[in-house]
Amino acid sequence: DAGITQSPRHKVTETGTPVTLRCHQTENHRYMYWYRQDPGHGLRLIHYSYGVKDTDKGEVSDGYSVSRSKTEDFLLTLESATSSQTSVYFCAISESFETQYFGPGTRLLVL
Amino acid sequence: GNSVTQMEGPVTLSEEAFLTINCTYTATGYPSLFWYVQYPGEGLQLLLKATKADDKGSNKGFEATYRKETTSFHLEKGSVQVSDSAVYFCALSATQGGSEKLVFGKGTKLTVNP
Repeated sequence: DAGITQSPRHKVTETGTPVTLRCHQTENHRYMYWYRQDPGHGLRLIHYSYGVKDTDKGEVSDGYSVSRSKTEDFLLTLESATSSQTSVYFCAISESFETQYFGPGTRLLVL
Repeated sequence: GNSVTQMEGPVTLSEEAFLTINCTYTATGYPSLFWYVQYPGEGLQLLLKATKADDKGSNKGFEATYRKETTSFHLEKGSVQVSDSAVYFCALSATQGGSEKLVFGKGTKLTVNP
Protein backbone atom coordinates (compact mmCIF):
# COMPACT_ATOMS: atom_id res chain seq x y z
CA ASP A 1 0.00 0.00 0.00
CA ALA A 2 1.15 3.52 -0.80
CA GLY A 3 2.25 5.45 2.27
CA ILE A 4 -0.38 8.13 2.63
CA THR A 5 -1.76 9.39 5.91
CA GLN A 6 -4.37 12.03 6.59
CA SER A 7 -4.92 13.96 9.77
CA PRO A 8 -7.17 14.39 11.53
CA ARG A 9 -9.33 11.43 10.59
CA HIS A 10 -12.43 13.01 12.11
CA LYS A 11 -13.19 16.64 12.87
CA VAL A 12 -16.20 18.50 14.20
CA THR A 13 -16.08 22.27 13.96
CA GLU A 14 -18.37 25.29 13.97
CA THR A 15 -19.38 27.52 11.12
CA GLY A 16 -16.94 30.35 10.57
CA THR A 17 -13.89 28.68 12.09
CA PRO A 18 -10.75 27.90 10.09
CA VAL A 19 -9.87 24.26 9.52
CA THR A 20 -6.68 22.70 8.14
CA LEU A 21 -6.44 19.12 6.94
CA ARG A 22 -3.09 17.51 6.38
CA CYS A 23 -1.99 14.90 3.87
CA HIS A 24 1.41 13.27 4.31
CA GLN A 25 3.11 10.87 1.91
CA THR A 26 6.25 8.78 2.14
CA GLU A 27 6.37 7.81 -1.55
CA ASN A 28 8.03 10.95 -2.93
CA HIS A 29 5.31 11.21 -5.60
CA ARG A 30 5.19 14.44 -7.54
CA TYR A 31 1.42 14.96 -7.74
CA MET A 32 -0.93 15.36 -4.81
CA TYR A 33 -4.68 15.93 -4.90
CA TRP A 34 -7.52 16.87 -2.59
CA TYR A 35 -11.01 15.53 -3.30
CA ARG A 36 -14.31 15.70 -1.51
CA GLN A 37 -16.83 12.90 -1.56
CA ASP A 38 -20.53 13.60 -1.22
CA PRO A 39 -23.59 11.40 -1.80
CA GLY A 40 -24.84 11.76 -5.36
CA HIS A 41 -21.69 13.52 -6.52
CA GLY A 42 -18.98 10.91 -6.33
CA LEU A 43 -15.53 12.42 -5.95
CA ARG A 44 -14.82 15.97 -6.98
CA LEU A 45 -11.39 17.55 -7.27
CA ILE A 46 -10.78 20.57 -5.02
CA HIS A 47 -7.13 21.43 -5.66
CA TYR A 48 -4.04 19.63 -6.82
CA SER A 49 -0.29 20.11 -6.72
CA TYR A 50 2.29 19.23 -9.34
CA GLY A 51 5.31 20.10 -7.24
CA VAL A 52 6.51 22.03 -4.22
CA LYS A 53 4.75 25.40 -4.20
CA ASP A 54 3.00 24.53 -7.48
CA THR A 55 -0.75 24.20 -7.09
CA ASP A 56 -3.85 24.67 -9.18
CA LYS A 57 -7.61 24.68 -8.79
CA GLY A 58 -9.97 21.82 -9.38
CA GLU A 59 -13.68 21.92 -10.12
CA VAL A 60 -14.87 22.84 -6.60
CA SER A 61 -12.13 25.12 -5.24
CA ASP A 62 -14.24 28.00 -3.89
CA GLY A 63 -13.79 28.36 -0.12
CA TYR A 64 -10.63 26.25 -0.05
CA SER A 65 -6.93 27.01 -0.24
CA VAL A 66 -3.92 24.70 -0.31
CA SER A 67 -0.22 24.82 0.35
CA ARG A 68 2.68 22.53 -0.39
CA SER A 69 5.97 23.63 1.16
CA LYS A 70 7.49 20.15 1.14
CA THR A 71 7.16 17.22 -1.26
CA GLU A 72 5.61 15.05 1.42
CA ASP A 73 2.95 17.41 2.79
CA PHE A 74 -0.14 18.92 1.17
CA LEU A 75 -2.41 21.04 3.35
CA LEU A 76 -6.03 21.90 2.67
CA THR A 77 -7.44 24.93 4.49
CA LEU A 78 -11.03 25.99 4.88
CA GLU A 79 -10.61 29.66 5.75
CA SER A 80 -14.09 29.99 7.24
CA ALA A 81 -15.92 26.69 7.35
CA THR A 82 -19.54 26.48 6.20
CA SER A 83 -22.09 23.70 6.59
CA SER A 84 -21.86 23.01 2.85
CA GLN A 85 -18.27 21.90 3.44
CA THR A 86 -19.39 19.00 5.60
CA SER A 87 -17.99 16.08 3.65
CA VAL A 88 -15.42 13.32 3.52
CA TYR A 89 -12.10 14.59 2.21
CA PHE A 90 -9.61 12.35 0.44
CA CYS A 91 -6.02 13.00 -0.44
CA ALA A 92 -4.41 11.17 -3.35
CA ILE A 93 -0.92 10.95 -4.84
CA SER A 94 0.47 9.94 -8.21
CA GLU A 95 3.72 9.96 -10.13
CA SER A 96 3.40 11.45 -13.58
CA PHE A 97 0.53 9.85 -15.51
CA GLU A 98 0.35 6.84 -13.25
CA THR A 99 -2.41 5.56 -11.03
CA GLN A 100 -3.60 7.70 -8.15
CA TYR A 101 -3.34 6.24 -4.65
CA PHE A 102 -5.79 7.41 -2.04
CA GLY A 103 -5.48 8.09 1.65
CA PRO A 104 -7.98 6.83 4.25
CA GLY A 105 -10.05 10.03 4.30
CA THR A 106 -11.02 12.73 6.80
CA ARG A 107 -14.62 13.04 7.89
CA LEU A 108 -15.47 16.70 8.54
CA LEU A 109 -18.68 17.92 10.15
CA VAL A 110 -19.38 21.66 10.20
CA LEU A 111 -22.12 22.61 12.64
CA GLY B 1 -15.65 18.09 -21.81
CA ASN B 2 -14.66 14.90 -20.04
CA SER B 3 -17.30 12.96 -18.14
CA VAL B 4 -18.15 9.50 -16.88
CA THR B 5 -21.62 8.02 -16.53
CA GLN B 6 -22.15 4.83 -14.59
CA MET B 7 -25.27 2.92 -13.77
CA GLU B 8 -27.30 4.07 -10.82
CA GLY B 9 -27.27 1.89 -7.78
CA PRO B 10 -27.68 0.35 -5.44
CA VAL B 11 -27.19 -3.11 -6.86
CA THR B 12 -28.09 -6.11 -4.70
CA LEU B 13 -27.05 -9.62 -5.70
CA SER B 14 -26.89 -13.06 -4.19
CA GLU B 15 -23.54 -14.74 -3.72
CA GLU B 16 -22.24 -16.40 -6.92
CA ALA B 17 -24.40 -14.23 -9.17
CA PHE B 18 -23.01 -12.53 -12.29
CA LEU B 19 -22.19 -8.83 -11.97
CA THR B 20 -22.22 -6.10 -14.58
CA ILE B 21 -21.82 -2.41 -13.77
CA ASN B 22 -22.13 -0.23 -16.84
CA CYS B 23 -19.82 2.70 -17.48
CA THR B 24 -19.70 5.01 -20.49
CA TYR B 25 -17.50 8.02 -21.01
CA THR B 26 -17.09 11.21 -22.99
CA ALA B 27 -13.58 12.41 -23.57
CA THR B 28 -11.33 14.30 -25.91
CA GLY B 29 -8.33 12.33 -27.03
CA TYR B 30 -7.57 8.83 -25.77
CA PRO B 31 -7.94 8.60 -22.03
CA SER B 32 -6.95 5.74 -19.78
CA LEU B 33 -9.88 4.13 -17.99
CA PHE B 34 -10.06 2.88 -14.43
CA TRP B 35 -12.26 1.09 -11.96
CA TYR B 36 -11.74 1.97 -8.32
CA VAL B 37 -13.35 0.22 -5.36
CA GLN B 38 -14.17 1.68 -1.95
CA TYR B 39 -14.83 -0.71 0.92
CA PRO B 40 -16.83 0.61 3.88
CA GLY B 41 -14.92 3.18 5.91
CA GLU B 42 -11.90 3.16 3.62
CA GLY B 43 -10.37 5.20 0.80
CA LEU B 44 -10.49 4.23 -2.84
CA GLN B 45 -8.29 1.48 -4.22
CA LEU B 46 -7.45 0.84 -7.83
CA LEU B 47 -9.22 -2.32 -9.00
CA LEU B 48 -8.14 -2.41 -12.63
CA LYS B 49 -7.24 -0.17 -15.53
CA ALA B 50 -6.87 -0.12 -19.32
CA THR B 51 -4.78 2.36 -21.23
CA LYS B 52 -5.83 1.87 -24.86
CA ALA B 53 -8.66 0.61 -27.01
CA ASP B 54 -9.40 -3.15 -26.79
CA ASP B 55 -7.24 -3.55 -23.69
CA LYS B 56 -8.77 -5.70 -20.98
CA GLY B 57 -8.04 -4.89 -17.37
CA SER B 58 -8.49 -7.64 -14.81
CA ASN B 59 -7.99 -8.19 -11.10
CA LYS B 60 -9.54 -10.36 -8.36
CA GLY B 61 -11.91 -11.96 -10.88
CA PHE B 62 -13.16 -8.60 -12.17
CA GLU B 63 -12.72 -7.63 -15.81
CA ALA B 64 -13.40 -4.62 -18.01
CA THR B 65 -12.64 -4.04 -21.68
CA TYR B 66 -11.90 -0.62 -23.17
CA ARG B 67 -14.40 -0.26 -26.04
CA LYS B 68 -13.63 2.85 -28.06
CA GLU B 69 -16.45 2.28 -30.56
CA THR B 70 -19.08 2.33 -27.82
CA THR B 71 -17.09 4.56 -25.42
CA SER B 72 -17.67 2.03 -22.67
CA PHE B 73 -15.75 0.27 -19.91
CA HIS B 74 -18.23 -2.05 -18.23
CA LEU B 75 -17.15 -3.94 -15.11
CA GLU B 76 -17.96 -7.66 -14.90
CA LYS B 77 -17.44 -10.54 -12.53
CA GLY B 78 -18.67 -14.03 -13.08
CA SER B 79 -19.37 -14.99 -9.47
CA VAL B 80 -19.55 -12.37 -6.76
CA GLN B 81 -18.78 -12.93 -3.11
CA VAL B 82 -20.04 -11.23 0.03
CA SER B 83 -16.59 -9.64 0.36
CA ASP B 84 -17.17 -7.80 -2.96
CA SER B 85 -19.75 -5.57 -1.25
CA ALA B 86 -18.43 -2.04 -1.80
CA VAL B 87 -18.87 1.09 -3.88
CA TYR B 88 -17.39 0.94 -7.37
CA PHE B 89 -16.24 4.01 -9.27
CA CYS B 90 -15.48 4.26 -12.96
CA ALA B 91 -12.98 6.95 -13.90
CA LEU B 92 -11.02 8.32 -16.80
CA SER B 93 -7.75 10.18 -16.91
CA ALA B 94 -7.68 13.59 -18.54
CA THR B 95 -4.53 15.57 -19.14
CA GLN B 96 -5.08 19.22 -18.44
CA GLY B 97 -2.60 21.97 -17.79
CA GLY B 98 0.26 19.52 -17.96
CA SER B 99 -0.95 17.24 -15.22
CA GLU B 100 -3.18 14.23 -15.20
CA LYS B 101 -6.50 14.34 -13.45
CA LEU B 102 -9.09 11.70 -12.81
CA VAL B 103 -12.75 12.30 -13.64
CA PHE B 104 -15.02 10.00 -11.63
CA GLY B 105 -18.48 8.65 -12.08
CA LYS B 106 -20.85 8.97 -9.14
CA GLY B 107 -20.27 5.44 -7.91
CA THR B 108 -22.39 2.28 -7.76
CA LYS B 109 -23.00 0.60 -4.44
CA LEU B 110 -22.95 -3.19 -4.58
CA THR B 111 -24.34 -5.38 -1.83
CA VAL B 112 -23.85 -9.14 -2.04
CA ASN B 113 -26.01 -11.28 0.21
CA PRO B 114 -25.07 -14.79 1.36
